[in-house]
Amino acid sequence: DADVTQTPRNRITKTGKRIMLECSQTKGHDRMYWYRQDPGLGLRLIYYSFDVKDINKGEISDGYSVSRQAQAKFSLSLESAIPNQTALYFCATSDSGAGWGTDTQYFGPGTRLTVL
Amino acid sequence: GENVEQHPSTLSVQEGDSAVIKCTYSDSASNYFPWYKQELGKGPQLIIDIRSNVGEKKDQRIAVTLNKTAKHFSLHITETQPEDSAVYFCAASMGQGGKLIFGQGTELSVKP
Repeated sequence: DADVTQTPRNRITKTGKRIMLECSQTKGHDRMYWYRQDPGLGLRLIYYSFDVKDINKGEISDGYSVSRQAQAKFSLSLESAIPNQTALYFCATSDSGAGWGTDTQYFGPGTRLTVL
Repeated sequence: GENVEQHPSTLSVQEGDSAVIKCTYSDSASNYFPWYKQELGKGPQLIIDIRSNVGEKKDQRIAVTLNKTAKHFSLHITETQPEDSAVYFCAASMGQGGKLIFGQGTELSVKP
């Protein structure tokens, strides 16, 4: 969905480096999420934020941190990257004011991260 | 916490045949069950969802069924077409914007 953008789309880095993945959205949604996708494991939630002042850990937050700089921006950082963080990372958004549609999440195109 | 199991992991069908993907969930408090389709190089996109107050929902060639007693829900695609080829994910949550717990994904291949 072009309304949710992620940068970079691909990144190769080395063990121990600090990496930041960025997500921006023009949908006006208040809720934002970070997931990682691994083959055979589906999508697993890393962190989520229900508004600018609200940050929550997901299933697999160890080794990651996030920053919600504005309603439209949510960044994911790997403080010291390790090879098992090699994965496809997705940002998603949802709208708490959408009534029955509140649960629908809209995903960005993903960032493929390789840690050597 | 909630756990979602999805089967099969891969599914190959001939064009025009039907495809069925099944999921089970563990938390009886879950009440929202979406299905997402992920095409190559793209992020997942919602294709259909069902809430626990209904047993079945249809949208053209796709349908979802829910058995709350057995904690099962399934995606049915009829008259499959090559453009249905993708990875499909089921998920479960307690609704109201709560966390989605995803299944492992099913790679569907529709052969012309």
